[in-house]
Amino acid sequence: DVKVTQSSRYLVKRTGEKVFLECVQDMDHENMFWYRQDPGLGLRLIYFSYDVKMKEKGDIPEGYSVSREKKERFSLILESASTNQTSMYLCASSPSDSGEKLFFGSGTQLSVL
Amino acid sequence: GENVEQHPSTLSVQEGDSAVIKCTYSDSASNYFPWYKQELGKRPQLIIDIRSNVGEKKDQRIAVTLNKTAKHFSLHITETQPEDSAVYFCAPLKYNFNKFYFGSGTKLNVKP
Repeated sequence: DVKVTQSSRYLVKRTGEKVFLECVQDMDHENMFWYRQDPGLGLRLIYFSYDVKMKEKGDIPEGYSVSREKKERFSLILESASTNQTSMYLCASSPSDSGEKLFFGSGTQLSVL
Repeated sequence: GENVEQHPSTLSVQEGDSAVIKCTYSDSASNYFPWYKQELGKRPQLIIDIRSNVGEKKDQRIAVTLNKTAKHFSLHITETQPEDSAVYFCAPLKYNFNKFYFGSGTKLNVKP
């Protein structure tokens, strides 16, 4: 069974801190994604990566960056956390670029105080 | 990017009734149409999907129908049960373009 693991379930940070959210998948998937989920807004794509060291912006990349140094790991970085980045962050992976299902991690609820 | 809308945003049905959720999209090149279910506190999971070469697909009590001309597809749940209570998301996609754009979700409440 595919496993997508996010390092933290809950995280509390202060405004201005640098925050790292880590995601690891164990099925050799090419594609990895970071979404944020807010009530009434659904899932919004922040960044995605289709290969090591490759990344593309999603709909809401401002205030975020990503890193993919290894195929199995995709990190989301908040350079200077702000209160409007308080949200549920979901990582996902998929096996190819031909329209296959997404496998999600269990999410990280980030609170920025 | 793709403009995706789901209706209704909330839906309350009696156990045993049917539920229908509709998803409209803007990109006529979309050719993959999945539905995800997210139970409270859990991760979204794919429950059914359809590709543009078919008009309908069924899996036990759930089905998805596609109208490419009108650019919408729908999730149908028959004989609803309390465990169907969840938020449902559509995420239409076009081939070789891996940005999944999700609808804003439909919260389904099945009353026992």
